[in-house]
Amino acid sequence: KAGVTQTPRYLIKTRGQQVTLSCSPISGHRSVSWYQQTPGQGLQFLFEYFSETQRNKGNFPGRFSGRQFSNSRSEMNVSTLELGDSALYLCASSGQTTGTGANVLTFGAGSRLTVL
Amino acid sequence: QKEVEQDPGPLSVPEGAIVSLNCTYSNSAFQYFMWYRQYSRKGPELLMYTYSSGNKEDGRFTAQVDKSSKYISLFIRDSQPSDSATYLCAMRTQNQGGKLIFGQGTELSVKP
Repeated sequence: KAGVTQTPRYLIKTRGQQVTLSCSPISGHRSVSWYQQTPGQGLQFLFEYFSETQRNKGNFPGRFSGRQFSNSRSEMNVSTLELGDSALYLCASSGQTTGTGANVLTFGAGSRLTVL
Repeated sequence: QKEVEQDPGPLSVPEGAIVSLNCTYSNSAFQYFMWYRQYSRKGPELLMYTYSSGNKEDGRFTAQVDKSSKYISLFIRDSQPSDSATYLCAMRTQNQGGKLIFGQGTELSVKP
């Protein structure tokens, strides 16, 4: 069974640009969550999508957005990039259908974004 | 103050040692507790998963949750160089779906 696939793995952007990251969840998983990982703040939750609807949202500015497609693939977008957006962006999928109870997340390898 | 506190280390131990990793938390609503392991340039992988208080053992790994003290632990017995990684505790409430709150992570190095 293929794991969670994230593309691209590495990318470099300049301040003010925008970026789109892609995530393909494990086959059959309908929940996709996104996290930002930095040395200073650690892993922080961005948002979660389930059946094309945002189910949870973290405390990030509106420059961070996401969406999910009918095949459960998800994208996240960061507009007007800032130096502080340099991070590893991780996607995780879950086979849980409700937002309650046990919900085991399987993470991808991440997309490492560098903003110059 | 962060909801979940974890000593970032680094922690260095000799091969074969028992390793103890800990996290404290402030939100009494947390019900699900996890430990993830993250190797360099990889995503976190789930090691242990516990619901509410108690102990859980899986091979060389034991997870403990003490909700009365808001304290969780991961013990690694007979540590191996291949255990060298960053260990992250994570937790969530009953109905937060994919929203996990992570500790900062502890960097562990097991020396041969």
